[in-house]
Order: sequence, then C-alpha cells, then structure tokens
Amino acid sequence: AQKVTQAQTEISVVEKEDVTLDCVYETRDTTYYLFWYKQPPSGELVFLIRRNSFDEQNEISGRYSWNFQKSTSSFNFTITASQVVDSAVYFCALSIGIGNTGKLIFGQGTTLQVKP
Amino acid sequence: DAGITQSPRHKVTETGTPVTLRCHQTENHRYMYWYRQDPGHGLRLIHYSYGVKDTDKGEVSDGYSVSRSKTEDFLLTLESATSSQTSVYFCAISEILDQETQYFGPGTRLLVL
Repeated sequence: AQKVTQAQTEISVVEKEDVTLDCVYETRDTTYYLFWYKQPPSGELVFLIRRNSFDEQNEISGRYSWNFQKSTSSFNFTITASQVVDSAVYFCALSIGIGNTGKLIFGQGTTLQVKP
Repeated sequence: DAGITQSPRHKVTETGTPVTLRCHQTENHRYMYWYRQDPGHGLRLIHYSYGVKDTDKGEVSDGYSVSRSKTEDFLLTLESATSSQTSVYFCAISEILDQETQYFGPGTRLLVL
C-alpha cells in the first residue's frame, strides 16, 4: 500500500530560525514522484517541488531546500531563516507510476507557524 | 496560474439536497481531478478524468458522481448531500507535458447542515 506520513502536526518557530518538515513515504513501486505543496492561510494550494524516484539529488531554491533519501524513504523540506510569510500548512504527496492518472496521495499536513 | 476556477466558492446546503460543484479550466488540460480536504486527512482523491466522458473513481468516491462533457468543465455532484460531506473541495489539473504534477483551483467550501 502507498502511504505518506507527516508526523509533525504543528511546528512553531521564531522568525529567522531554520525549520525542517519531515515526510516519510511508503510504496513498493520503483517509479514514483514526490511533491511538496504549500497552503497559506488564504487557502489555495501552491505547488513547490516535484522529485522523481530516480533523482536523489537534493535541491535548493532560495531559502527552501529538499532532502530526498530513498534509503530511509524520506523527502524532508527545510526552510532556512524562516519568515512570517512561511506560515502555512505544508503537504507532502506521493504519485505512482509514469503518466500519472490521479493517484496523488497526501500526507496529513504540517502546520508551520512562524512568529515574529 | 493554471487557469482553474471553481464555482461556487462557498455553499451552505441542507442534508438530502443535491449539490453540483463546477471546475472550469481555460487551457485545454486533459487530466482533471476532484479532491476533498478534511482535518487530519490531508487531501483525498474523489474522482478524476482523463478526457471527455472518461472518468474513474478515486479513494473516497462513495456518494459522489462526476461528469465531463466538455474538456474545460469537470462537474462533481453530491446526489443527496450528507453532513459527512462537509468539506473543502479542490479541483486540480495536470498539463499534458507534465502529467505528474497537479495544479489546484482555489477550492469550494461546502457546509451541509
């Protein structure tokens, strides 16, 4: 069975702290994709990143970085020098196979609060 | 901006009434999806479509039906709404050159009394 677990329900940090959001996934497929989405208080879902199972390179985008480790089935997301605008619910998701036909499986989400 | 709109954005209805939510896209995307978001569950797939008149069930399809008679519109119908269907409903699309990545509409908040 496929599953995504975000064990951290809520995280609270003070601005400028670094914070890591954990994501652990389960799948028996060898081809899959991992995603992170952000849901700010306004409610929309914003796509942040996609990683495929054949690419374990870490990625950095400004203050955001992602660490993909197949050995531990994890795809963690780190925000460096957090800002109040980073306050949101963050979802990790898993998609299986090539030519996705809608099988996006989401974790429960982690609510991040960044205090000034 | 993936050109997705949802209507209505908010709706209050009574148990037992039919409800139809509309997802409209302007960019001819082939794949469209309906999800519901509930606390503690993240988002869960209800139904999806891979073309006009081609639809399939997702994880939580009971009590829901869908239709896609035009590429641009994907309708989600609750035949007889129940309180357990109170939720936020999101439509999503994926683009033909990047079918794995889904982009979401603004959501519809539905309250069933």
